[in-house]
This record gives sequence, structure tokens and C-alpha cells, in this order.
Amino acid sequence: AQSVSQHNHHVILSEAASLELGCNYSYGGTVNLFWYVQYPGQHLQLLLKYFSGDPLVKGIKGFEAEFIKSKFSFNLRKPSVQWSDTAEYFCAVNARNYGQNFVFGPGTRLSVLP
Amino acid sequence: GAGVSQSPSNKVTEKGKDVELRCDPISGHTALYWYRQSLGQGLEFLIYFQGNSAPDKSGLPSDRFSAERTGGSVSTLTIQRTQQEDSAVYLCASSLAPDLYNEQFFGPGTRLTVL
Repeated sequence: AQSVSQHNHHVILSEAASLELGCNYSYGGTVNLFWYVQYPGQHLQLLLKYFSGDPLVKGIKGFEAEFIKSKFSFNLRKPSVQWSDTAEYFCAVNARNYGQNFVFGPGTRLSVLP
Repeated sequence: GAGVSQSPSNKVTEKGKDVELRCDPISGHTALYWYRQSLGQGLEFLIYFQGNSAPDKSGLPSDRFSAERTGGSVSTLTIQRTQQEDSAVYLCASSLAPDLYNEQFFGPGTRLTVL
């Protein structure tokens, strides 16, 4: 069965610090990869996604993620965080042979101190 | 335009009772997904609809859970004989088509508490 792990439960950073949130999945086949974000009091929304091609994917609000197939990883990065990035971040994987079944990680809560 | 809506926003019920959760997807979206988020857990896929049919019910945790979708629009998730472990936030999402290139848009969720 597929599973997704996220390395950190809660990350606390100061504004302008660099961010990297880890995501690893367990599935050896072809995968589609996603990062979703949930800002306080708001719905889940898509941050970025990877299907194929360039393994470095750029998303909204200056976020990017790199797919490293050999490491089964899809880490999320941002060079300089802002207070408004405070949110919960979820990594999700869809194994293409599993149809529409998405597997989400447990989430990482990011708190950015002003 | 309007996003995905879910009702009720909160539901408190007694163990053993049946509950119905409703999802109104974005108009024109043919694909609809139900997820469950338990405290401290990630989102757990439950079921997916393409139009009115559910090609993938693999995530439903037991036969107490069922879902239907009518008119290619509104969907209801029914939990019979609720148990305390059913307490969670139930999220609905819709997308324009089931192609994964289409983004899923999430609703606000229904928080279910089983006493």
C-alpha cells in the first residue's frame, strides 16, 4: 500500500528564514505528486503539483518542490518565508496505477514568527 | 463563483445513530471526492465519483459507510450506526474532470463528533 510521510510535525521559523519541508512516499511505480496548503480558517488549496518533466516544480507564492525519484522524495522549499506563510502543509501522492486514490501525508504545521 | 460547500459544518451525534453529510461541488465539476481527516492524521481517501458512478470505493472503511451522487452534482455520505472512531472532519473536493491534471477544490469540511 502507498504511504506518505512528512518529516516534521511542527516547524517554527522567523521571517526571511529559508524553508524546507520533507515528504517521502512509498511506491515504486510512476507517481503524481502534490503539495496542498491550508491557511488558518481556510480551505485546502493546491500549492503545486508534479506529473512529469522537469523535477523542479514551481508553485504559487514563491514555493517550489523537487522530485528526487531515487529518494522517493518531494520536498517543498521556499527561500524566504513570510508571516503569511503560517499554515498547515500536506504532501499527497497518487500512484498512477491506483486511479484516483490520493494518499496524503499527516501534514506539517508551519509557524512563522514576525 | 461559488466554491465547494458542505453541510452541516458541525454535527454531534450519539453512538449508534445514522448521519448524512452533504457536499455541493462546483457547478460543472464532474469528479467528486470524499476524504476523512482524523485528529493528527493526514487526509484519508474514502470514495471518488465520476458523474453519478463511483469507480473507486476502496477507501470506505466499513460497510457502515456509503455514498451516492445524484444528477452529477450533490453527493451525500451516509454513516450508519456511528461509532466513536468515526469522529473526524469529512472533506469533499471536486474537480472539472477526473484527469489528475485537474486541480481538486476542497470544501470547508463537516466536523463529526460521535459521543
